[in-house]
Amino acid sequence: KAGVTQTPRYLIKTRGQQVTLSCSPISGHRSVSWYQQTPGQGLQFLFEYFSETQRNKGNFPGRFSGRQFSNSRSEMNVSTLELGDSALYLCASSLARGFTYEQYFGPGTRLTVT
Amino acid sequence: KNEVEQSPQNLTAQEGEFITINCSYSVGISALHWLQQHPGGGIVSLFMLSSGKKKHGRLIATINIQEKHSSLHITASHPRDSAVYICAFNNDMRFGAGTRLTVKP
Repeated sequence: KAGVTQTPRYLIKTRGQQVTLSCSPISGHRSVSWYQQTPGQGLQFLFEYFSETQRNKGNFPGRFSGRQFSNSRSEMNVSTLELGDSALYLCASSLARGFTYEQYFGPGTRLTVT
Repeated sequence: KNEVEQSPQNLTAQEGEFITINCSYSVGISALHWLQQHPGGGIVSLFMLSSGKKKHGRLIATINIQEKHSSLHITASHPRDSAVYICAFNNDMRFGAGTRLTVKP
């Protein structure tokens, strides 16, 4: 089956602009999580969506937001970009059913803010 | 103090060696994850466990809830196991700093 896809893969933006990243989960997965990875802070959790509802949220400012659509595709938006927002943004989709749990990560979107 | 500590930070092994990576945490958890990140950046979810032990191929993950400790073992290590191994816990995925494993042929 097709994996998790993220678009775009690379993005260059200027400080103050906003950006929208997209994540398409594996078919049948209703949970999508977003993560930020930087050399200094490592991996950090942004938020998780399940059936169009935000289920968990990490410790990021309100400039970071997300949403999930009825087909489970998810978007995250960062407004008023700062240099420190330069990072690899990863999404993962997951499915928990009984004793079965599977999670797959997308390849990430590398955002550079200049 | 960080909620999750991984050790060692870096590990170099010879092909065939038995590898152990440790993860200690200081808060209550509902689930602990082990992830593998290859040099290209791609992340693979290896295990999610909340008790006991899980095995997949040459990889074994254990967790001791009372001691707040989990280990990831790799038997018969191979150069293709070279990657960063990361533990994370709970639904809001609090991550360890990772263990960089290099397996030499």
